[in-house]
Amino acid sequence: DSGVTQTPKHLITATGQRVTLRCSPRSGDLSVYWYQQSLDQGLQFLIHYYNGEERAKGNILERFSAQQFPDLHSELNLSSLELGDSALYFCASSQAEGGYTFGSGTRLTVV
Amino acid sequence: AQSVTQPDIHITVSEGASLELRCNYSYGATPYLFWYVQSPGQGLQLLLKYFSGDTLVQGIKGFEAEFKRSQSSFNLRKPSVHWSDAAEYFCAVGPNDYKLSFGAGTTVTVRA
Repeated sequence: DSGVTQTPKHLITATGQRVTLRCSPRSGDLSVYWYQQSLDQGLQFLIHYYNGEERAKGNILERFSAQQFPDLHSELNLSSLELGDSALYFCASSQAEGGYTFGSGTRLTVV
Repeated sequence: AQSVTQPDIHITVSEGASLELRCNYSYGATPYLFWYVQSPGQGLQLLLKYFSGDTLVQGIKGFEAEFKRSQSSFNLRKPSVHWSDAAEYFCAVGPNDYKLSFGAGTTVTVRA
């Protein structure tokens, strides 16, 4: 157990739907990062939050949004889902210069 | 822009043999460099990291990596591979601890 908790582990949904992925960071970590892992794109950085504030954006689609709450957990919202959004979505948390600690991911399948 | 190249998509090695995984990066200044390992169905686990100082870095599970600025490389090595080392390995680079760019990964198969 890495200490980073992601729910759900698996999600199957239809095109056009909206889903919410949840992440609880390791105790004491203020930073949360979201990554998408797919076979064709590899690991892509989506977004970074630090203590509730958005710090950096990567290749995140406009249909996707995220937020970090006062208790530091984060949610990634994916809307108007397309088949190509099927991927593993990872959350990671970190302390300064510690390197990331990754959760075990949410596997999203869009059918 | 920062980028990482892992030239080897797949490596097969015999148990007990040595292993070296290549990583070349592109970054204008001194980068933060990382190696992660991912077992099937699992998240990524940090093996080791380099920020500054000694260019030979020791990590977990008997892995080490050497930062060579002149070659823009950060190759991962292990003297004697165990069957449990079969996994996918990712090199990552960044200007700091966040917004990392990951390589495409190298899959390691260990044969008995």
